[in-house]
Amino acid sequence: GQSLEQPSEVTAVEGAIVQINCTYQTSGFYGLSWYQQHDGGAPTFLSYNALDGLEETGRFSSFLSRSDSYGYLLLQELQMKDSASYFCAVRPYGQNFVFGPGTRLSVLP
Amino acid sequence: SAVISQKPSRDICQRGTSLTIQCQVDSQVTMMFWYRQQPGQSLTLIATANQGSEATYESGFVIDKFPISRPNLTFSTLTVSNMSPEDSSIYLCSVEDWKGRQETQYFGPGTRLLVL
Repeated sequence: GQSLEQPSEVTAVEGAIVQINCTYQTSGFYGLSWYQQHDGGAPTFLSYNALDGLEETGRFSSFLSRSDSYGYLLLQELQMKDSASYFCAVRPYGQNFVFGPGTRLSVLP
Repeated sequence: SAVISQKPSRDICQRGTSLTIQCQVDSQVTMMFWYRQQPGQSLTLIATANQGSEATYESGFVIDKFPISRPNLTFSTLTVSNMSPEDSSIYLCSVEDWKGRQETQYFGPGTRLLVL
């Protein structure tokens, strides 16, 4: 089977940098995705890594290392509106999406 | 990107009854997905719905409890049958979009169900 692990909660202050890790146990997959979900809202796509390395999209960056079965989401210049849950997800070959348990990020003033 | 709407947005139901949730997409898509998300939890895939064929259910979910229709390429319904309080959850539909090697899932706003 496949499973993903994330920290359940992370707290940081406005303007800081925070890293949310995702480790996984899965056989081959297309890529590692990250989704953001605000309370009461639907998950929205943030970032995707098909290949090893860093992908940058504005204040958000995501990293993947297939050899280490590890990825992370990096959020810079944190804002209050970044308080949300963040999910990593993979699409194993021949299977459907599998989402991680989610990390609840609280940004403090 | 795809724009997805769901109806109803929320409902309160009595145990033993059934509720049908509708999902409408603004473009034609091959596959539609139904997820369940219990409060504070991750997303769990219920089933995949392809137009013209029976839905494919994930382990732990059965057609008698969650019948799905997919009459065309822009619409699907999920019915939660013979509800119990354990079915209280958020139900989300989604579609996938591939650009090269990148897959993105777009989600509807969800249906918040409370079963008394």
